[in-house]
Amino acid sequence: DAGITQSPRHKVTETGTPVTLRCHQTENHRYMYWYRQDPGHGLRLIHYSYGVKDTDKGEVSDGYSVSRSKTEDFLLTLESATSSQTSVYFCAISQGNEQYFGPGTRLTVT
Amino acid sequence: QQQVKQSPQSLIVQKGGISIINCAYENTAFDYFPWYQQFPGKGPALLIAIRPDVSEKKEGRFTISFNKSAKQFSLHIMDSQPGDSATYFCAASSQGNEKLTFGTGTRLTIIP
Repeated sequence: DAGITQSPRHKVTETGTPVTLRCHQTENHRYMYWYRQDPGHGLRLIHYSYGVKDTDKGEVSDGYSVSRSKTEDFLLTLESATSSQTSVYFCAISQGNEQYFGPGTRLTVT
Repeated sequence: QQQVKQSPQSLIVQKGGISIINCAYENTAFDYFPWYQQFPGKGPALLIAIRPDVSEKKEGRFTISFNKSAKQFSLHIMDSQPGDSATYFCAASSQGNEKLTFGTGTRLTIIP
């Protein structure tokens, strides 16, 4: 599992509330990623980080923000959750081109 | 714009048969092509990967075939087993770019 944990693993929240998902890694990898997985869309990149305080947008970044204040933690925030953000969220790290994924967080926005 | 197209969306294969999943890409700068396997409730796991300097890579029952001129690559699972039932994703990236572009996935079911 490349030493990746995600928390929480499951969350149900109401529309309009802020939500923060946490990704934690133990192996000092420089690159970290947040993806969402939806049926028919595969895995789509939300944001990624290439170092502490260095982040960039992916293809579906609207409505999401990220922060990385420490190498080991990469936070994904939904400022005001919407039903369209109901999804499974995966964090990943990379070693060269190879990416390794965490166990995922299932988020339901009601 | 989808840069990696994957087919079929779902596939049913009998035990012992050959499972074949195909992907096509558009970006000629792509030079790394991995396949991921995902079981329900789990994160995707790297299965096998290929670079365009070879046309085929084999690891056990899993083989990637790569056709650079056609911009296509495929995953072949020989002697398919019920334990191979999972969702498979192809992906691609280019040198110096740490981002992967994923296909939409294939749900593979192996029946007895």
